[in-house]
Amino acid sequence: GAVVSQHPSRVICKSGTSVKIECRSLDFQATTMFWYRQFPKKSLMLMATSNEGSKATYEQGVEKDKFLINHASLTLSTLTVTSAHPEDSSFYICSARDRGRGRTEAFFGQGTRLTVV
Amino acid sequence: QQQVKQSPQSLIVQKGGISIINCAYENTAFDYFPWYQQFPGKGPALLIAIRPDVSEKKEGRFTISFNKSAKQFSLHIMDSQPGDSATYFCAVSDLGGQGNLIFGKGTKLSVKP
Repeated sequence: GAVVSQHPSRVICKSGTSVKIECRSLDFQATTMFWYRQFPKKSLMLMATSNEGSKATYEQGVEKDKFLINHASLTLSTLTVTSAHPEDSSFYICSARDRGRGRTEAFFGQGTRLTVV
Repeated sequence: QQQVKQSPQSLIVQKGGISIINCAYENTAFDYFPWYQQFPGKGPALLIAIRPDVSEKKEGRFTISFNKSAKQFSLHIMDSQPGDSATYFCAVSDLGGQGNLIFGKGTKLSVKP
């Protein structure tokens, strides 16, 4: 099946610094990628949807200046958490759909555990 | 307003038993109903999905039952195994399944040996 690779799987950063998380579709072109945030023992909350070559669409309550999303190519989207604070500590997951072939299945990355100290 | 309600929150089943997780939705525009399995520290993985034109879909030990009139769908895991212990999420989507996925709150399944 299709593979979505997310990197890094874990990152610890100091408060006030920025962290970049990469999401790559390895064997298909992802015209649309999604970024989710998941708190412990909770469901996935959609943060934003990014389409290749255009600005991301953010869900209500998500700060676009804090969570910068770039979908520069059909196989790569990045999420940058800027000026990170301890409350940004969470599990971040990306997802991609191969809509070019009309596939509806969403493939998820393995997630990134961000800890801000 | 919660668009998809999932129950139970947690479930303990003996090895070999049947695990049943239920989801209910309100919006009749939803037309794609997937179930995801998530292990700790990993991203979700699609288990099985159904569209509203069928009432049941089976893949191996996993079966989705869909009741369009009741706006409910459920996941049945037959012959549950300890390796099935994970968190399961139902989701809904519209636009032929190309809309954004909306997830239930999850069910933590523990299968005891």
